Amino acid sequence: QSALTQPASVSGSPGQSITISCTGTSSDVGGYYYVSWYQQYPGTAPKLMIYEVTNRPSGISNRFSGSKSGNTASLTISGLQAEDEADYYCSAYRSMSTYVFGTGTRVTVL
Amino acid sequence: QITLKESGPTLVKPTQTLTLTCTGSGFSISSSGVGVGWIRQPPGKALEWLAVIYWDDNKRYSPSLRNRLTITKDTSKNQVVLTMTNMDPVDTATYFCAHRPTYTSTFDMWGQGTMVTVSS
Repeated sequence: QSALTQPASVSGSPGQSITISCTGTSSDVGGYYYVSWYQQYPGTAPKLMIYEVTNRPSGISNRFSGSKSGNTASLTISGLQAEDEADYYCSAYRSMSTYVFGTGTRVTVL
Repeated sequence: QITLKESGPTLVKPTQTLTLTCTGSGFSISSSGVGVGWIRQPPGKALEWLAVIYWDDNKRYSPSLRNRLTITKDTSKNQVVLTMTNMDPVDTATYFCAHRPTYTSTFDMWGQGTMVTVSS
């Protein structure tokens, strides 16, 4: 079961916008609207930031937004802040009612 | 407020069976639509989905690990148990359980995780 593909790292300056991609197949990212994004600080549990491609849970800043085109989903962080420096993982519902995570992206605020 | 807490051994020997328990509060694992999943993360590596069990006892496993995993639930204790057989050093990881809400297929709340080391 192959993981979804993410860039290993993305960086940006404070105030800038960055986008993290998440590439899968028609059996996961492209086939369902169940793509999620998680933020993880070192030594802590992941935190849900986006679900169903574009939806933010209560309490999540609107600086975080999600989208999808074909087999690739994207997370955009606008107005980058120092506190956004973390690892980000995408996840997708996959055929046969299973789940798959992405390879993870380290976001660095310059 | 939904919380989850993992418990189990911190050290297991190669070939042994690992048993982890996830205890949930603030929700019921017997409520329609609810699920509890297990996800692991080797040190310095990515998250890997392992298994999920739903309120109706439907179960799904990672295809690559399905022959080693068993997930069950005890509704009276609001617990979910994951067993993994034939443990190997490559299974060394932090194991998380997470809540799957009724309204969508995601994991909205996570436990703090428990670190399991496989070594003789």
